[in-house]
Amino acid sequence: RKEVEQDPGPFNVPEGATVAFNCTYSNSASQSFFWYRQDCRKEPKLLMSVYSSGNEDGRFTAQLNRASQYISLLIRDSKLSDSATYLCVVTPSGSARQLTFGSGTQLTVLP
Amino acid sequence: DAGVIQSPRHEVTEMGQEVTLRCKPISGHNSLFWYRQTMMRGLELLIYFNNNVPIDDSGMPEDRFSAKMPNASFSTLKIQPSEPRDSAVYFCASSLVARGVLVANQPQHFGDGTRLSIL
Repeated sequence: RKEVEQDPGPFNVPEGATVAFNCTYSNSASQSFFWYRQDCRKEPKLLMSVYSSGNEDGRFTAQLNRASQYISLLIRDSKLSDSATYLCVVTPSGSARQLTFGSGTQLTVLP
Repeated sequence: DAGVIQSPRHEVTEMGQEVTLRCKPISGHNSLFWYRQTMMRGLELLIYFNNNVPIDDSGMPEDRFSAKMPNASFSTLKIQPSEPRDSAVYFCASSLVARGVLVANQPQHFGDGTRLSIL
């Protein structure tokens, strides 16, 4: 089983839609959680950290469920510019210095 | 502020040739990571350094790959001899680790990557 699993998609949604991605992780000792965004042929960039209490940044909301070992990302009022691959990222057990990346969920927002 | 700088941006070479990829981390960051990304395998960690010392190289595919970090502002990833299956995008990333953990609001910053094609 992979350490971090995501639905690869693709998710094709109309502009203005709300879309949610889930991600599961296998190691209950994982300490930190993030969502990264990667545009086509570009480098991954940090979108937001995920905190235990859940957190929001504009149209983006991240949730963490430690009991079920999953994190989620909700995008409201999606824009064309949200089209990208969203990578779920956790710090693995035994090392708080490095990151384990999921394979990503591809989102296309359609006009 | 300058981000992580990688060179070259693109490299096309014939199999058997030596390839050297270069990375300059963000000034002040004490950890550096080399990743490889392909469609089939996604983003894979190859090796990471902390304070210029290799900490974990378990992701390095085989002996043809080697990485060095002679000082805090420079690292290289070398492939010798190169093979077509090494074709991928290679990313370098850096981060700041304080008291053994990543600084939460800036876990890793990535360079633009090197697109490597081995013919």
